[in-house]
Amino acid sequence: AQTVTQSQPEMSVQEAETVTLSCTYDTSESDYYLFWYKQPPSRQMILVIRQEAYKQQNATENRFSVNFQKAAKSFSLKISDSQLGDAAMYFCASEGPTSGTYKYIFGTGTRLKVLA
Amino acid sequence: DSGVTQTPKHLITATGQRVTLRCSPRSGDLSVYWYQQSLDQGLQFLIQYYNGEERAKGNILERFSAQQFPDLHSELNLSSLELGDSALYFCASSVSGTSGVEQFFGPGTRLTVL
Repeated sequence: AQTVTQSQPEMSVQEAETVTLSCTYDTSESDYYLFWYKQPPSRQMILVIRQEAYKQQNATENRFSVNFQKAAKSFSLKISDSQLGDAAMYFCASEGPTSGTYKYIFGTGTRLKVLA
Repeated sequence: DSGVTQTPKHLITATGQRVTLRCSPRSGDLSVYWYQQSLDQGLQFLIQYYNGEERAKGNILERFSAQQFPDLHSELNLSSLELGDSALYFCASSVSGTSGVEQFFGPGTRLTVL
């Protein structure tokens, strides 16, 4: 069965500094996708970044990048030059085939606080 | 604003009742997804529809059902409601039903079961 684990319930970072959020997953599939979603206080879920498992190159979106270690089943999110607007819950998620259909599994989330 | 609309924003009802949540996807999106976010179980994928047909099913209870109509809007029906069904229900949409596609989330419907 697919699982996604976020071991850091809460993280803090100083404004303009860099922070890394951890995520590990478990799957027996070879074809899958990984995502990081942001949920600010407004509760709106926003896609931050996604990674295709068959691509070795780490995905990057502006100040957001991932460190994808397929063998270790690790998918961490790095936020550079942190801004006050980055404060939110961050969810790691996987999408992969399960019994012939794709299913989406989310981690429990990491609350990121940005300190001015 | 993601372009996905959900109604109502808030819903308060009693145990044993039935409610319907509505979702209108972004213009041009063919796929709709439903998620439940509760305090004790986090965010869970319920079901996906693509162009009117069920595409994938997650941890959706038998008391819950969904459908996608010809105009592509979707409804999630929750029946025999229990206290534990209190949660934020999200709808998301995507242009296609293929894997890895970006989903755009609506603002959610907050359901409170008393």
